[in-house]
Amino acid sequence: SQKIEQNSEALNIQEGKTATLTCNYTNYSPAYLQWYRQDPGRGPVFLLLIRENEKEKRKERLKVTFDTTLKQSLFHITASQPADSATYLCALISGTYKYIFGTGTRLKVLA
Amino acid sequence: DADVTQTPRNRITKTGKRIMLECSQTKGHDRMYWYRQDPGLGLQLIYYSFDVKDINKGEISDGYSVSRQAQAKFSLSLESAIPNQTALYFCATSDHRDRGGETQYFGPGTRLLVL
Repeated sequence: SQKIEQNSEALNIQEGKTATLTCNYTNYSPAYLQWYRQDPGRGPVFLLLIRENEKEKRKERLKVTFDTTLKQSLFHITASQPADSATYLCALISGTYKYIFGTGTRLKVLA
Repeated sequence: DADVTQTPRNRITKTGKRIMLECSQTKGHDRMYWYRQDPGLGLQLIYYSFDVKDINKGEISDGYSVSRQAQAKFSLSLESAIPNQTALYFCATSDHRDRGGETQYFGPGTRLLVL
């Protein structure tokens, strides 16, 4: 069956360090992979998209990698800040409409 | 995102009642979606609509119905609410012309409790 896995355990890191979140998938051939941020009680907000033919994408302190051989995406936040604390969701876009969301990883950046 | 609004934001209802959740958008997007989010399960697609005349079932459509009254409005109905429909419901929009890969824009959510 098709599956997306994100680490369900919360990730705690010290301020200033790099946070790395993982998204693994099976039985998909996604055209795109997206990362969203979700704060408690609010809707997800789009952060970054990476296409299947791209290895890496950057936006300010954010970096996403996409390895279609390993079927894995890594999401990095460099120089992390307490304001980065949130749940981060990965989403695969496969086919015309099919958005498949992971369950999210909760990140807590400690001051 | 203020461009996508949902009403009500919170709702408590009783088993067997019919309720409607409403979504409006000012982004001019053609595609709209309804999701539910449960702890540990992530976002699950209930229904999606690519335009006013196109409505499709998602993964978990049983017990739900939708209406696309206009390009900007997409409502979700629970015909006879049951407790396991207690969840956080999100509306989202996207634009098929988005060459950036059809980013989804989410509303603030409706928290529904069925007693």
